[in-house]
Amino acid sequence: QAVVTQEPSLTVSPGGTVTLTCGFSTGDVTSTHYPYWFQQKPGQAPTSLIYDTSDKHSWTPARFSGSLLGGKAALTLSGAQPEDEADYYCLLTYGGPWVFGGGTRLTVL
Amino acid sequence: EVHLVESGGGLVQPGGSLRLSCAASGFTFSNFWMNWVRQAPGKGLEWVANIKEDGSDKYYVDSVKGRFTVSRDNAKNSLYLQMNSLRVEDTAVYYCAGGPYCGYWGQGTLATVSS
Repeated sequence: QAVVTQEPSLTVSPGGTVTLTCGFSTGDVTSTHYPYWFQQKPGQAPTSLIYDTSDKHSWTPARFSGSLLGGKAALTLSGAQPEDEADYYCLLTYGGPWVFGGGTRLTVL
Repeated sequence: EVHLVESGGGLVQPGGSLRLSCAASGFTFSNFWMNWVRQAPGKGLEWVANIKEDGSDKYYVDSVKGRFTVSRDNAKNSLYLQMNSLRVEDTAVYYCAGGPYCGYWGQGTLATVSS
């Protein structure tokens, strides 16, 4: 099955901006992959942040945004907060099956 | 308030079976695809299987095809995962997830496959 790639780790300063990306082994990520982004903090279940590339749930903080960037899906965090330190996973769909990326560990330091 | 509550995890020997359940409440369960997602200890998320609203379509990750079966009972607002021929590498916390844009997740149930 297809492989989804993410940066293993990134660091951002408090108040800073960082972009996480999500690539696809078969080619460009497009809106037809309906990219999702999930946040997971230690010991907790994942929380959905972004769906369909850039749409937000009612609970998604405004500082998170999704987009397509250079053939990849992207999650941008603007104005990082200490509580944003977590693992972030992208998810791509292609027909029925889904596939997660390996995750990005984001450190706010 | 939305709740997804998984159950059925436990310790099983390689080659054994487990049946996981997920009880849903607080949303119209029958209107949404539902998913099973697992996370091995210290590892990332892995999508396992999903099932269409009426149960007519099902998809699986290659590593579980022929061993796992996903099903649902909309009358009981419940999702199931029958896991047979279990392997050590199936050890993980299993989450059910679904609802609008996969916005709802349970807290997971741990399945441990070990001799």
